[in-house]
Amino acid sequence: KNQVEQSPQSLIILEGKNCTLQCNYTVSPFSNLRWYKQDTGRGPVSLTIMTFSENTKSNGRYTATLDADTKQSSLHITASQLSDSASYICVVGHRRSQGNLIFGKGTKLSVKP
Amino acid sequence: DAGITQSPRYKITETGRQVTLMCHQTWSHSYMFWYRQDLGHGLRLIYYSAAADITDKGEVPDGYVVSRSKTENFPLTLESATRSQTSVYFCASSEQGTNTEAFFGQGTRLTVV
Repeated sequence: KNQVEQSPQSLIILEGKNCTLQCNYTVSPFSNLRWYKQDTGRGPVSLTIMTFSENTKSNGRYTATLDADTKQSSLHITASQLSDSASYICVVGHRRSQGNLIFGKGTKLSVKP
Repeated sequence: DAGITQSPRYKITETGRQVTLMCHQTWSHSYMFWYRQDLGHGLRLIYYSAAADITDKGEVPDGYVVSRSKTENFPLTLESATRSQTSVYFCASSEQGTNTEAFFGQGTRLTVV
């Protein structure tokens, strides 16, 4: 079954600290992996998108990694800010179905002053 | 304004009533999607459309109807609303399906009483 699992479910960190969120997937055949940020009450916004051949991609203080062999990805946030408080969702595209994005349940990050 | 917009933002309706959620995009993207987001679940695909007059079922299509007579609009209709359809609904669009970036609307919070 095509699934995306994220950990931890929630995380609290102090402002200025770094953190890493994890994503494991079983989607096959794989097309791409995305990380989205979703603020409370808003729609998801893309942070990064990686294909099979890419193993790292950065967007400002966000760096995503992908290990297609182990089917794992991580999102590293550097020097966290209060505005980073949000849910972070890992999403995997299925190569044979253009309509099929598989969403994880998200990691809820709270950054405290 | 350019982008993807949903209306209404909030809706309360009674069980058994028909309700339509609207989605409009200005990019002329080929693909459009409807998702629902519920606590304890990742976003789940209801229906998607690859082009005008082409629609296909997603993971949870029962009780919903879609149409796409124009590229820019993709309305979602609940034919006879049930309490289990209380959710937050997100519309998204992308240029070429799951191989390209998906952009989400701000969501419609629907409550069925």
